[in-house]
Amino acid sequence: QQPVQSPQAVILREGEDAVINCSSSKALYSVHWYRQKHGEAPVFLMILLKGGEQKGHEKISASFNEKKQQSSLYLTASQLSYSGTYFCGAGGGGNKLTFGTGTQLKVEL
Amino acid sequence: IAGITQAPTSQILAAGRRMTLRCTQDMRHNAMYWYRQDLGLGLRLIHYSNTAGTTGKGEVPDGYSVSRANTDDFPLTLASAVPSQTSVYFCASSVGTSGNTDTQYFGPGTRLTVL
Repeated sequence: QQPVQSPQAVILREGEDAVINCSSSKALYSVHWYRQKHGEAPVFLMILLKGGEQKGHEKISASFNEKKQQSSLYLTASQLSYSGTYFCGAGGGGNKLTFGTGTQLKVEL
Repeated sequence: IAGITQAPTSQILAAGRRMTLRCTQDMRHNAMYWYRQDLGLGLRLIHYSNTAGTTGKGEVPDGYSVSRANTDDFPLTLASAVPSQTSVYFCASSVGTSGNTDTQYFGPGTRLTVL
C-alpha cells in the first residue's frame, strides 16, 4: 500500500516555507525523498534512517517519526527552483521502495 | 558521463505488439529497478533485480517481464501490449541491495503510448 502524502498540491510565494508530510500504514525502516521536475526523472534529495541518522543535501531538512510511521519534509525560504513534484519512498525492508502519490509544489514570484 | 540511459525516449505502439524498453547503466550498480508512473498514482515498482542473473516482482508485474544477463543492462518487455500499459517508464539503479540505505538513481524515462 502506497504511503499517503499531504498536501496533494501547494502554491507558495518565493521565500515562504512549506511542509510536506508522508504517512505509511506499514512499519518504516527508512524514508527517501525525491523531487521531480516536469518531464524529467526523479532526483534524490534525502534519506532518513530508522534510528535517527539522516543523510541528504541542499537547504532542505526532514524528520522521521518511527513510532508514528511518518516523515515530514521542510522547505524553508522557498526558491523558484524548488518547484516540482515531491515523492516520499517508504523502505519497509529489503531493497524495494514504495512511493507515495506525490505533492505538487509551485513557487511563484 | 556516468548514469542511466533508456531507449526509446518515446514510442507509440499498437495493442497486441511486443515491445522491449532498454535500460543501461555504467555505474556498476548491483541493483536495478523498473517503475511506471501514472498521473495520480506516483511511481509503482514493476520488477527489480538485486544482481545479474536474479530478478523479482514488484507491485505491478503483470504483463511485464525482465531479464538481467549482465550488470549493466536491464530490459523490460511487454509481450502483448494493452492500452492500460500506457505510461511513463523509469529505470533506476542503486549501488547495493539494501533499499533502506541506498539511493536510487533514475534514468530519463520512456513515454509509451499503446493504442
